[in-house]
Amino acid sequence: GAVVSQHPSRVICKSGTSVKIECRSLDFQATTMFWYRQFPKKSLMLMATSNEGSKATYEQGVEKDKFLINHASLTLSTLTVTSAHPEDSSFYICSALKPGQHTDTQYFGPGTRLTVL
Amino acid sequence: GQQVMQIPQYQHVQEGEDFTTYCNSSTTLSNIQWYKQRPGGHPVFLIQLVKSGEVKKQKRLTFQFGEAKKNSSLHITATQTTDVGTYFCAGGGENTDKLIFGTGTRLQVFP
Repeated sequence: GAVVSQHPSRVICKSGTSVKIECRSLDFQATTMFWYRQFPKKSLMLMATSNEGSKATYEQGVEKDKFLINHASLTLSTLTVTSAHPEDSSFYICSALKPGQHTDTQYFGPGTRLTVL
Repeated sequence: GQQVMQIPQYQHVQEGEDFTTYCNSSTTLSNIQWYKQRPGGHPVFLIQLVKSGEVKKQKRLTFQFGEAKKNSSLHITATQTTDVGTYFCAGGGENTDKLIFGTGTRLQVFP
């Protein structure tokens, strides 16, 4: 199997505070993880690619100082939303890339719903 | 930049009817993947297609990758209420593990 967990599943915070979201691959090692953002009834938007042992690669328009990503081990990537504002409220989903014999597959975590008051 | 569109955006069917969603990319893809997301849930990997013209079946689901590797379709035969959810295609490019998700098709099945 390929299990990816996220913590917390839900978080409510005050405007101006920082929130850290963890993404873990539980039964495989992932040198690459991805962070997505999803608005209600919308598609997933790739925010950044998290690379173990190196800096994350951010998509165009995503502020790297706003969304800090750390991929400290082969099973853990964290996303920190700094100085959160109400417009940062969203569903954040991570995925971990599992190497395969022919192709690699992304397995998604259950997501974290962030509400900024 | 690369765009992946899906049609229809939303479809509701009577249980037992068939359903098809179409996926079109603005650029040629190295592979196409399909995911299902239940309401309140996260995307769950269904399948990956790599070869031009490839067709794969999973029980009542049939997936097809176009000859030009720019479009794909998912067909569900005899829908069931358990098929409810949003179906996303996701395109993979050459020399990258990144996926560009399609706009999604939300399926509602009425008993």
